[in-house]
Amino acid sequence: SQQGEEDPQALSIQEGENATMNCSYKTSINNLQWYRQNSGRGLVHLILIRSNEREKHSGRLRVTLDTSKKSSSLLITASRAADTASYFCATEGSGGSNYKLTFGKGTLLTVNP
Amino acid sequence: DVKVTQSSRYLVKRTGEKVFLECVQDMDHENMFWYRQDPGLGLRLIYFSYDVKMKEKGDIPEGYSVSREKKERFSLILESASTNQTSMYLCASSSPGTSGYNEQFFGPGTRLTVL
Repeated sequence: SQQGEEDPQALSIQEGENATMNCSYKTSINNLQWYRQNSGRGLVHLILIRSNEREKHSGRLRVTLDTSKKSSSLLITASRAADTASYFCATEGSGGSNYKLTFGKGTLLTVNP
Repeated sequence: DVKVTQSSRYLVKRTGEKVFLECVQDMDHENMFWYRQDPGLGLRLIYFSYDVKMKEKGDIPEGYSVSREKKERFSLILESASTNQTSMYLCASSSPGTSGYNEQFFGPGTRLTVL
């Protein structure tokens, strides 16, 4: 079953602009993670935010988590053409999931030079 | 750096063939996963393994089986390939580490076409 749902499905911006992607989920979680996938390749882990955290930064990435609304957002600041990729949120459910993650369908980000 | 390798980047098989997809990780991770990725459907978990010889079904196990005889290797088996199994297959591994929170490390993927 799909837990996370990203919004929007596709986003096109100009280089230098900020990109915001959102993720909603349905059940309680231990943590939420964001991954990036370049076309035709495997996924690469970007950032993890735990259920007791509200905001986390890593370089040009900022992630927020609102457990009351069961939602998260990923902000990429000062975007570059090399940021063009699909971005997925993934949730690790609470209650002994053996570290399974449930992935959303992804947001395709295009950064135009 | 963790490295997860998959035996083939591209594979073409015929309907009814038995297909083996191999995945190897070099970081002594306990957990290994097989996903398939299809346009509009995202990543769906087929099977995962949290220890040698241990396996659990994911969301879409039908038509697939797995084998984990050694910690570093996790194989996905299509007993009798069908055209609806044409997809991108992604392997991943993870380990809880000292923090107890673990991210997954992915291989490059195998694009399987079943004719």
